[in-house]
Amino acid sequence: EPEVTQTPSHQVTQMGQEVILRCVPISNHLYFYWYRQILGQKVEFLVSFYNNEISEKSEIFDDQFSVERPDGSNFTLKIRSTKLEDSAMYFCASSARTGLTGELFFGEGSRLTVL
Amino acid sequence: QKEVEQDPGPLSVPEGAIVSLNCTYSNSAFQYFMWYRQYSRKGPELLMYTYSSGNKEDGRFTAQVDKSSKYISLFIRDSQPSDSATYLCAMSLNTGTASKLTFGTGTRLQVTL
Repeated sequence: EPEVTQTPSHQVTQMGQEVILRCVPISNHLYFYWYRQILGQKVEFLVSFYNNEISEKSEIFDDQFSVERPDGSNFTLKIRSTKLEDSAMYFCASSARTGLTGELFFGEGSRLTVL
Repeated sequence: QKEVEQDPGPLSVPEGAIVSLNCTYSNSAFQYFMWYRQYSRKGPELLMYTYSSGNKEDGRFTAQVDKSSKYISLFIRDSQPSDSATYLCAMSLNTGTASKLTFGTGTRLQVTL
């Protein structure tokens, strides 16, 4: 069964360092997303990406964050200068289409710990 | 008022029980309603998806949406220990070319033998 894969599963970094989280969406999907979940809190939308550009972003997704699809398979989230409050589980998701929203397939997440 | 409210639980039921999980929401513009299941240390997995008001059944799962009350429910019949997980409600406005889901905090369910 096709799945969304994410690497690394866990990353520990020092405050102020740059972090790149990687995702391989399902191969025929066209829409890509990043969500995050701070421990004990709800899953929150960060950004959606379609046709090589950001479709929508939340207020969390400030200038410290960027996304990229550097080739035909990977989708990355970069945090330029990490803060303690960036510690969370980051989920990548993809969907084949919109209009039937909700059919998002999530990866298992990358846990980011900022010290 | 939070946009989506969900009792965090934990909810503990015996095997075979009927489980009722609920969410309320404040934004009447939400059109799509979903239930996700999340096992520990895993990503959310879509269980049910409904559009507007009404019921939808899939096996042991039934999703209900009451837009007039801004209230959605998920019922699980004949609950099994493998149903033990956190259940997240989510909803969407279907804005433009891509969807943005607004999640509840999740209800942790434990089904005991």
